[in-house]
Amino acid sequence: DAGVTQSPTHLIKTRGQQVTLRCSPKSGHDTVSWYQQALGQGPQFIFQYYEEEERQRGNFPDRFSGHQFPNYSSELNVNALLLGDSALYLCASSFALLKRDTQYFGPGTRLTVL
Amino acid sequence: AQKITQTQPGMFVQEKEAVTLDCTYDTSDPSYGLFWYKQPSSGEMIFLIYQGSYDQQNATEGRYSLNFQKARKSANLVISASQLGDSAMYFCAMREGGGSYIPTFGRGTSLIVHP
Repeated sequence: DAGVTQSPTHLIKTRGQQVTLRCSPKSGHDTVSWYQQALGQGPQFIFQYYEEEERQRGNFPDRFSGHQFPNYSSELNVNALLLGDSALYLCASSFALLKRDTQYFGPGTRLTVL
Repeated sequence: AQKITQTQPGMFVQEKEAVTLDCTYDTSDPSYGLFWYKQPSSGEMIFLIYQGSYDQQNATEGRYSLNFQKARKSANLVISASQLGDSAMYFCAMREGGGSYIPTFGRGTSLIVHP
């Protein structure tokens, strides 16, 4: 049973560029959430996708956008990269109908913006 | 206001000893869930244990137990018989009811297990 997978593992970009990160949820899960984890901090919620729509959004600018595909996989796009966007980006999946929908995390994508 | 507070930036424990990692939370919602995650240096967040606000008993999962004191709003993680592989960052998180599906994380505690 495959867990949550993310690609790429590492990424280096320069300021002003755009980046796309990808996530495949755990088998049987239909909900995908994205988090940003800066060095020395806990994960900060970016947004969550369910049924191909953004269900909830955290306090992140519109430069952060996402998409969910019919197979439940998801992408996170960040435009006009800033130095402060350097972080570990974590994807988590869960099953919406389970009230105790524990989120299972992927290994993350480490983004460095130069 | 901080919803999840982890006051111990770093903890050290001898192998095979027990250790308690502190977590306090703040919510006015009567329905909420509390989680603990482990994050090794590889980066992946590993789910350890869950406690619901209406659960009558403290949650246990193998060597992990959650010391849930509702009146004090604390949810401390107890790791028994520490192993070298337990060295990692540990995060406490809370998800409130009322339709929100999103957990809020604390800043984490770094645990180092000495041989």
